[in-house]
Amino acid sequence: KNEVEQSPQNLTAQEGEFITINCSYSVGISALHWLQQHPGGGIVSLFMLSSGKKKHGRLIATINIQEKHSSLHITASHPRDSAVYICAVRPRGFGNEKLTFGTGTRLTIIP
Amino acid sequence: EAQVTQNPRYLITVTGKKLTVTCSQNMNHEYMSWYRQDPGLGLRQIYYSMNVEVTDKGDVPEGYKVSRKEKRNFPLILESPSPNQTSLYFCASSSRGSWGLNEKLFFGSGTQLSVL
Repeated sequence: KNEVEQSPQNLTAQEGEFITINCSYSVGISALHWLQQHPGGGIVSLFMLSSGKKKHGRLIATINIQEKHSSLHITASHPRDSAVYICAVRPRGFGNEKLTFGTGTRLTIIP
Repeated sequence: EAQVTQNPRYLITVTGKKLTVTCSQNMNHEYMSWYRQDPGLGLRQIYYSMNVEVTDKGDVPEGYKVSRKEKRNFPLILESPSPNQTSLYFCASSSRGSWGLNEKLFFGSGTQLSVL
């Protein structure tokens, strides 16, 4: 079983819809990252969370440390949000050394 | 502009022919790392470096070497590539911060390697 599980694997939605992508992990962590990978491959860091909630524009990320779960929300989704969203965790006890990744959620927003 | 520069973008080679993928960052970051990305498996860490002359194995180090002689550069070396090393490779860097707080990862644009 992968240490990091994302759901759904694939998500197709209409423009304007509210999107939720989930990430569950099985180990204690010191940090969780949300990453965005566009077609063509480039990876961009969206958020780093160790507790609570962060917001940037239409993107909101939350984490519940006790439940070992994080969500990424996109409000008023747009076709340019179409990408693969990847969750990565840094297990507790490591500094910057180790990152374990989920396999990603492929999001497609239809105009 | 803050960036991680990775070269080449595409590389086709044959089994056994040594190759190097270069990675350079201009942000004075201590931490650099290499990952490979394969369909269905996601990103997996190959090697990482916490600073100059400090490197260690990640989850899938077999068949790879790295060096960190300068802070800005972290090349990935395949001494004798094999077809199972065909993959999409990413280099990344970040500042350490305090206990990893406020850490932001910067990724290179990726190298698609095909080993025939």
